[in-house]
Amino acid sequence: AQSVTQPDIHITVSEGASLELRCNYSYGATPYLFWYVQSPGQGLQLLLKYFSGDTLVQGIKGFEAEFKRSQSSFNLRKPSVHWSDAAEYFCAVDLFSGGYNKLIFGAGTRLAVHP
Amino acid sequence: DTAVSQTPKYLVTQMGNDKSIKCEQNLGHDTMYWYKQDSKKFLKIMFSYNNKELIINETVPNRFSPKSPDKAHLNLHINSLELGDSAVYFCASSQDLDATEDEQFFGPGTRLTVL
Repeated sequence: AQSVTQPDIHITVSEGASLELRCNYSYGATPYLFWYVQSPGQGLQLLLKYFSGDTLVQGIKGFEAEFKRSQSSFNLRKPSVHWSDAAEYFCAVDLFSGGYNKLIFGAGTRLAVHP
Repeated sequence: DTAVSQTPKYLVTQMGNDKSIKCEQNLGHDTMYWYKQDSKKFLKIMFSYNNKELIINETVPNRFSPKSPDKAHLNLHINSLELGDSAVYFCASSQDLDATEDEQFFGPGTRLTVL
């Protein structure tokens, strides 16, 4: 079955440190992958997406993600974290079946940023 | 103007009651969704509508009945509320149903608490 795994439930980093959030997927076909961010009390906002082409994808707010087919991974990175990046991050895969798309989300990783 | 809006933002009610959550999008999208986010932040799709027509129904209890009076609105009615219905409910929309590249835009969520 198609699934998305985010191994880290909670991560804490210091402001200015680098960040990597892990995401692994299980999907038979070519995956379409997304990272969303949910700030406290807010809805989800799309950070970036991968469909094809260059496996290193640039997103908003200085985030990037790299698709590695051999590892079934789509890890999110940021070279220098800001306090405002504290939020919940969700990885998702788009399942296309029966003529429609459906997003399958991981369980999320909560990011805390120390000053 | 908010792209995807939901009302109310918070809803506290007793078991057995019937309640509704409203969603409106002003993006001109054809497709709308309802997601449920449980207490562990796990986000799962419940329904999707395309041009007012039900497309996805993810084995949600029939106490939940979505209604789409027009393309811009997708309301969620819940009958005989149960404790397990307590969650945050997110509405989302996208341009089309079968275009993988379409981003889903999420509303701010409605936190439902059943006592």
